Amino acid sequence: GQSLEQPSEVTAVEGAIVQINCTYQTSGFYGLSWYQQHDGGAPTFLSYNALDGLEETGRFSSFLSRSDSYGYLLLQELQMKDSASYFCAANNAGNMLTFGGGTRLMVKP
Amino acid sequence: GAGVSQSPSNKVTEKGKDVELRCDPISGHTALYWYRQSLGQGLEFLIYFQGNSAPDKSGLPSDRFSAERTGGSVSTLTIQRTQQEDSAVYLCASSFPGSFHEQFFGPGTRLTVL
Repeated sequence: GQSLEQPSEVTAVEGAIVQINCTYQTSGFYGLSWYQQHDGGAPTFLSYNALDGLEETGRFSSFLSRSDSYGYLLLQELQMKDSASYFCAANNAGNMLTFGGGTRLMVKP
Repeated sequence: GAGVSQSPSNKVTEKGKDVELRCDPISGHTALYWYRQSLGQGLEFLIYFQGNSAPDKSGLPSDRFSAERTGGSVSTLTIQRTQQEDSAVYLCASSFPGSFHEQFFGPGTRLTVL
């Protein structure tokens, strides 16, 4: 089976840095994706790590450690519009994604 | 179209009725996925199409659920004899071949079974 664990909720203040962790147990693991979903909206792709290390895309970065079955999403210079749910998702050999339960990020002024 | 579209956006039905949900993927995307999301929960995988075939139907919750895809494009998800526990948002996504990690989602269909 496949399972991904991430915190259910994180709170941070505007301008701060926040890290959302994700641990996974999967078979045939190819990589880890991250998606953002605003309330009432559709999930949108943020980043993907196929290899160990850090991938940076503007204010967002994502990290993967295959040996630790662990990854994280790092959000810098938080803005109010970053308040949303963030999902990690494992890409497996079956060409599908298995999603974690999501982390609800609340950014406060 | 520019993105994945789904119809209807909202569907209210009575318990026991059948419903059909439609998904139009992005042109050129050969992979198509159906997910279900209950309020405040993660995405539950239902079924995946590569072209018109479904290599993995393991996520379908019961035999009341079925899906098809024709012409490598439009897909329909059918739920027969709906139950109240079927109430959820049904999301469709599509991706380019080989880019399964980057899926483009439609706005979803909110299904309410009374």
